[in-house]
Amino acid sequence: DAGVIQSPRHEVTEMGQEVTLRCKPISGHNSLFWYRQTMMRGLELLIYFNNNVPIDDSGMPEDRFSAKMPNASFSTLKIQPSEPRDSAVYFCASSFAGSRYNEQFFGPGTRLTVL
Amino acid sequence: QQQVKQSPQSLIVQKGGISIINCAYENTAFDYFPWYQQFPGKGPALLIAIRPDVSEKKEGRFTISFNKSAKQFSLHIMDSQPGDSATYFCAARGTSGSRLTFGEGTQLTVNP
Repeated sequence: DAGVIQSPRHEVTEMGQEVTLRCKPISGHNSLFWYRQTMMRGLELLIYFNNNVPIDDSGMPEDRFSAKMPNASFSTLKIQPSEPRDSAVYFCASSFAGSRYNEQFFGPGTRLTVL
Repeated sequence: QQQVKQSPQSLIVQKGGISIINCAYENTAFDYFPWYQQFPGKGPALLIAIRPDVSEKKEGRFTISFNKSAKQFSLHIMDSQPGDSATYFCAARGTSGSRLTFGEGTQLTVNP
């Protein structure tokens, strides 16, 4: 299995631009999570989906952030417009909610720099 | 009540020594406690996990000790090696839902 795939791995953009991060979960997994990691705030859950439906988006910072999961094999996290304080590493993780421990498997992350 | 408090923030251990990282929680509905290991430039990866029906779980050099009454759990790394140098996160999850609550992380450095 290829694991969770994220693209791009690095993104550098200018303030005000739209940024789209992409995630392909592990095949067969039915839960998908978007996290943000910074030195100041650690690892924060932004939103998660079960069976492509958003369940908890309370961690989404503000309306500039949006996430979609149009099908079981693809999700996007969009920031529009981006700001320097959005600079962070964004991780996608997936799990199979029907398994005993519902272990989350993380992708390699996207390092976002907003200038 | 959803927080998981982790300490220390950083830890330096000599090769062969024991590394101990502690976590505490408040929410008694938590019933699954995993530890994740993260190397620079990589995503966190599950290292070991425990449920509150046991007080200890051991996998190789890694042991979780769990104290339900104190609402605390800890990770012990025996015979620490330089390759163990990484950031370690404890986490907890409730009986319902899939959401993990993570601790702040501990940066472990094992000197040769």
